[in-house]
Amino acid sequence: AQSVTQLGSHVSVSEGALVLLRCNYSSSVPPYLFWYVQYPNQGLQLLLKYTSAATLVKGINGFEAEFKKSETSFHLTKPSAHMSDAAEYFCAVSDRRSGGYQKVTFGTGTKLQVIP
Amino acid sequence: SQTIHQWPATLVQPVGSPLSLECTVEGTSNPNLYWYRQAAGRGLQLLFYSVGIGQISSEVPQNLSASRPQDRQFILSSKKLLLSDSGFYLCAWSVPGGNEKLFFGSGTQLSVL
Repeated sequence: AQSVTQLGSHVSVSEGALVLLRCNYSSSVPPYLFWYVQYPNQGLQLLLKYTSAATLVKGINGFEAEFKKSETSFHLTKPSAHMSDAAEYFCAVSDRRSGGYQKVTFGTGTKLQVIP
Repeated sequence: SQTIHQWPATLVQPVGSPLSLECTVEGTSNPNLYWYRQAAGRGLQLLFYSVGIGQISSEVPQNLSASRPQDRQFILSSKKLLLSDSGFYLCAWSVPGGNEKLFFGSGTQLSVL
């Protein structure tokens, strides 16, 4: 079984400060890992994904995440927060399987507040 | 390009009334289709997924059902709504056999009163 744990349901940062959102995963097979962002009353948009290429993954809007197998982590970072980054962020994991359906499991989300 | 449409955006229904939420995908064929529910503080819970017409798998026992009458149409239904059915419902699709990147609709906020 696969699972995702996001540490901190709410994170506040000052505008211009480093953003760090934490995600740890559990998977019995090498995983695919994702970060999604959700703005109020909207669906989720993919920020970035890890699929076994480079361990440092760059996404949209200046976000990046590093896959660390030894720590089973996939933390999301951005060097300088912008007001428009205020949203809820979800980490997700999908087991790799040879063909067929792959189940995606989401974390409980982290709401990011950016303080002017 | 591919698009996903989900409606209605908001819905207020009395307890015991029926439900029908619809989702359609354009610009792709034979997508995997999903219904998720999002409750405050609980993240996204997968309710149903479908890998083809008429093929529905349920992840959790519940008061809801899903159907896929056409390749790119996915419907979430209930015969009698419960208070606990309130939440934000999201439809999504993905490319079969891909890395399960999901494309989400804009969601339906359902309030059962």
